[in-house]
Amino acid sequence: GAVVSQHPSRVICKSGTSVKIECRSLDFQATTMFWYRQFPKQSLMLMATSNEGSKATYEQGVEKDKFLINHASLTLSTLTVTSAHPEDSSFYICSADSQGLNTEAFFGQGTRLTVV
Amino acid sequence: AQSVTQPDIHITVSEGASLELRCNYSYGATPYLFWYVQSPGQGLQLLLKYFSGDTLVQGIKGFEAEFKRSQSSFNLRKPSVHWSDAAEYFCAVASNTGGFKTIFGAGTRLFVKA
Repeated sequence: GAVVSQHPSRVICKSGTSVKIECRSLDFQATTMFWYRQFPKQSLMLMATSNEGSKATYEQGVEKDKFLINHASLTLSTLTVTSAHPEDSSFYICSADSQGLNTEAFFGQGTRLTVV
Repeated sequence: AQSVTQPDIHITVSEGASLELRCNYSYGATPYLFWYVQSPGQGLQLLLKYFSGDTLVQGIKGFEAEFKRSQSSFNLRKPSVHWSDAAEYFCAVASNTGGFKTIFGAGTRLFVKA
């Protein structure tokens, strides 16, 4: 299957700072990327959908000014957690697909964010 | 709206015993259905998927799942569980409109006892 790389795998940041997470499709052009959040012992909750060159579509209850998503190229989407607080500590996972060419989305390995 | 229900929060089986994890979905058309496995602190691994054709799907690690449209179910099975199968299992549904937006069930934690 296609490869999606997420970076960093782990990050610790201080409360009030911002942190950027990258999601790259390594061997295909990702027309659409999705960002998920997973709290401990819980399921993956979709945060937003991003299409290359367009503004992201956020799910209900997700603050778009706090979770900035940029999908400037067909191989890269970034999620920036702005003014992070301890309650933002979570596991963030991206997925990507190339519409019409696949029968699944491909997931990154996730980023563990800890805000101290 | 799409939704996925996994009625069992956790299941414990003995090593060597058979396993069935339940999954029910809600979707207007024929969905794309998936089972993923996640070990603690790790990402997702795709076990198998269904989108058309034979309703009995074979996956990796000896897992299989059966799509039953009449019951809106996609249960995961394995004839003989190994201790290494202990993990969290997620059933998921997706549509291929506007990208593969995947919706996950709450997950079932599998414990394997010796």
